[in-house]
Amino acid sequence: DVKVTQSSRYLVKRTGEKVFLECVQDMDHENMFWYRQDPGLGLRLIYFSYDVKMKEKGDIPEGYSVSREKKERFSLILESASTNQTSMYLCASSLWSSRPPMNTEAFFGQGTRLTVV
Amino acid sequence: LAKTTQPISMDSYEGQEVNITCSHNNIATNDYITWYQQFPSQGPRFIIQGYKTKVTNEVASLFIPADRKSSTLSLPRVSLSDTAVYYCLVATRRYSSASKIIFGSGTRLSIRP
Repeated sequence: DVKVTQSSRYLVKRTGEKVFLECVQDMDHENMFWYRQDPGLGLRLIYFSYDVKMKEKGDIPEGYSVSREKKERFSLILESASTNQTSMYLCASSLWSSRPPMNTEAFFGQGTRLTVV
Repeated sequence: LAKTTQPISMDSYEGQEVNITCSHNNIATNDYITWYQQFPSQGPRFIIQGYKTKVTNEVASLFIPADRKSSTLSLPRVSLSDTAVYYCLVATRRYSSASKIIFGSGTRLSIRP
């Protein structure tokens, strides 16, 4: 079974702190994603990566950065945490498809519920 | 980018067949249609993916008409454990090697005894 593991299930941080959310997948997937999920807003894509050191902005990248130094690990960084970044953060991975159809089967971790106080 | 529209919520009863329809008027030629299921406090789980006509697996069926502007997820004989949020999505513009996976707002399905 594909396993996507997020380092923490619950996290409480103070405003202004630098926060690292870690995600590891064990299926050698090329693509990795970070989403946040808020009530009434659904899942929103923050950043995604299609290869080591490669990244693309999603729909809401402001206030976040990412790092992908190894294929299996994708980190989300909150440079200076703010209360409006309190949310559920979900990491996912998917296999690269060399030709159409585009692969949209992603495997998700259990999520990290981050509270910024 | 193909956007999807689906009902906010639906109710049904155990043992019934449930059909959730999604519209995606701007779907591109090479896009596939995908459905996910999400339980509270868990990440979404892939259910089914299709391109046209009908696809069936052990969990659900997916019906896609010829114009592909909509799709219907069919859950046969639902049980209480099918209570979840169901997301319809289509693959969006390709960035080099990646499929950017964008979720819509989902349909909250509630199953009653």
